[in-house]
Amino acid sequence: QVQLVESGGGVVQPGGSLRLSCAASGFSFSSYGMHWVRQAPGKGLEWVAFIRYDGSNKYYADSVKGRFTISRDNSKNTLYLQINSLRAEDTAVFHCAKDNVDSSGYYYYMDVWGKGTMVTVSS
Amino acid sequence: DIQMTQSPSSLSASVGDRVTITCRASQSISSYLNWYQHKPGKAPKVLIYAASSLQSGVPSRFSGSGSGTDFTLTISSLQPEDFATYCCQQSYSIPYTFGQGTKLEI
Repeated sequence: QVQLVESGGGVVQPGGSLRLSCAASGFSFSSYGMHWVRQAPGKGLEWVAFIRYDGSNKYYADSVKGRFTISRDNSKNTLYLQINSLRAEDTAVFHCAKDNVDSSGYYYYMDVWGKGTMVTVSS
Repeated sequence: DIQMTQSPSSLSASVGDRVTITCRASQSISSYLNWYQHKPGKAPKVLIYAASSLQSGVPSRFSGSGSGTDFTLTISSLQPEDFATYCCQQSYSIPYTFGQGTKLEI
């Protein structure tokens, strides 16, 4: 079945780095754009980054620009998020999500999500 | 950035109730509005896309309406499995933004 499974979270000190992974299965990974979305404790969902199906374009939230890097390996059906210079406010569950578009080709939405991986930034 | 504001932030209801959640965008987003359901420890799930289109497999008791800046999600008859957090998200422009969420409690 269509599935996304995140990994790579953990406890890291401020200023540290992590690389998150998202393993995709059950669909043609190389045909779809992919997102990272996070949820800090007690807060709502926050969009973090997006990468086009072929990796040609990448977009970031201002809050992570210059510190986070989204990438993908279509030969491994895997999405990545390199997170550097971590701050306490980056503590969150990070979800990956598959992008989809409706039949008109205009309306985009995230139709498959993973359960997430927890990143805790603490000294 | 487009700000998305949901109301209420929390809501108490009973099984069988009809519930409406609203979402307002800080500028017109046409119908570029999606609704998600989120339960703790689980993957979020899309319910409605393009403001009013029901995602495949989602029960018909869920419906969405609106365009421009004002949108609503309606659950016609609450079921026990519907108690969760609901959030809206605009896909009109990057950065995509979410509402702060509405927690639906028994």
